[in-house]
Amino acid sequence: GAVVSQHPSRVICKSGTSVKIECRSLDFQATTMFWYRQFPKQSLMLMATSNEGSKATYEQGVEKDKFLINHASLTLSTLTVTSAHPEDSSFYICSARGASGGYNEQFFGPGTRLTVL
Amino acid sequence: KQEVTQIPAALSVPEGENLVLNCSFTDSAIYNLQWFRQDPGKGLTSLLLIQSSQREQTSGRLNASLDKSSGRSTLYIAASQPGDSATYLCAVTNSNYQLIWGAGTKLIIKP
Repeated sequence: GAVVSQHPSRVICKSGTSVKIECRSLDFQATTMFWYRQFPKQSLMLMATSNEGSKATYEQGVEKDKFLINHASLTLSTLTVTSAHPEDSSFYICSARGASGGYNEQFFGPGTRLTVL
Repeated sequence: KQEVTQIPAALSVPEGENLVLNCSFTDSAIYNLQWFRQDPGKGLTSLLLIQSSQREQTSGRLNASLDKSSGRSTLYIAASQPGDSATYLCAVTNSNYQLIWGAGTKLIIKP
């Protein structure tokens, strides 16, 4: 099956710093990548959808200036949490969808645990 | 607006029992339905994907069914084991190719 990686798997940072999370599709070209956020004991919440070479589409209530998404290539998307604060602490998961074959299936990364002190 | 509901929210059964997890959705216009497993503090493991044209999928001790017209899916786990303990999530792919998630069922298998 298709493999999606995320880096780092865990990050702890001080309040006010920016954190970048990478999402890579390892064995397929991902025309679309999705970023989710998951609070403890809750389900996944879609933050934004990004298509390669285009600006990301953010879900209602998600600050685009706070959560910067770049999808510069068909195998890499990045999420940057700018000026992180403790309330941004969460589990961030990306997924990727290919250009052909299984177009309606998303493949998930292992997630990144962000803790802001 | 598509809504996905999972019942029960939590389930605790003795090892060896067969069990059924339920998922319902309000809009039958879906491309597929997926069942995932999530262990505490971990990412998602895709268990089964059922395309909208299919009725069921099987993998080992797991069997998932889909009744699109009634907006229901079930995940059947046979001969449960303590290692099956996890949160099980159901999600449907809507007409915009977005995943709409249920809140999950937390399953505990008692040794």
